[in-house]
Amino acid sequence: GEDVEQSLFLSVREGDSSVINCTYTDSSSTYLYWYKQEPGAGLQLLTYIFSNMDMKQDQRLTVLLNKKDKHLSLRIADTQTGDSAIYFCAEWVNTGFQKLVFGTGTRLLVSP
Amino acid sequence: SAVISQKPSRDICQRGTSLTIQCQVDSQVTMMFWYRQQPGQSLTLIATANQGSEATYESGFVIDKFPISRPNLTFSTLTVSNMSPEDSSIYLCSVKEETQYFGPGTRLLVL
Repeated sequence: GEDVEQSLFLSVREGDSSVINCTYTDSSSTYLYWYKQEPGAGLQLLTYIFSNMDMKQDQRLTVLLNKKDKHLSLRIADTQTGDSAIYFCAEWVNTGFQKLVFGTGTRLLVSP
Repeated sequence: SAVISQKPSRDICQRGTSLTIQCQVDSQVTMMFWYRQQPGQSLTLIATANQGSEATYESGFVIDKFPISRPNLTFSTLTVSNMSPEDSSIYLCSVKEETQYFGPGTRLLVL
């Protein structure tokens, strides 16, 4: 089945680290993505990880993948007010028709 | 990375009418998709736009309501037919190369 779950809301203070979690169900996923959507704006690809990796770091972003537990996380170091947005995880599903399945989205609020 | 443009960027339409959304990519891509994002919701795949053949629709979406054209590897259209207020959403075109990119979206309000 295709089901991607995220917590709905996260609130942090500026300068702290943020960790956004995601669980997925399809074991055939090859790529897992993180997208950012600011209010009234389109989708921005933040980073992605291939399923044979367990970690990927890109500047302030760290992605951790636990394939056994089908758990993905996005850590944002030194969170800034400009990081306030909705963050979507998504898995690329290879069973049957190939497609990208999105999570429910996590709204991150960064307070000064 | 592919650069994707959509037209129109937004529209306000009357119920019962139809709107065609265009998606243009700056390079040839094999895989092209149409997504819908209802207000306050996540993205849901409508269909995969196949070049030279009929689109492949997801459960809950039908060709009569959302006809799709894909005449070549850089262009596709999505039509929202016989619109109702429930069709008010953002419609996004997407392409997959080594990773997946999204267009800026078309914001549709149906009155």
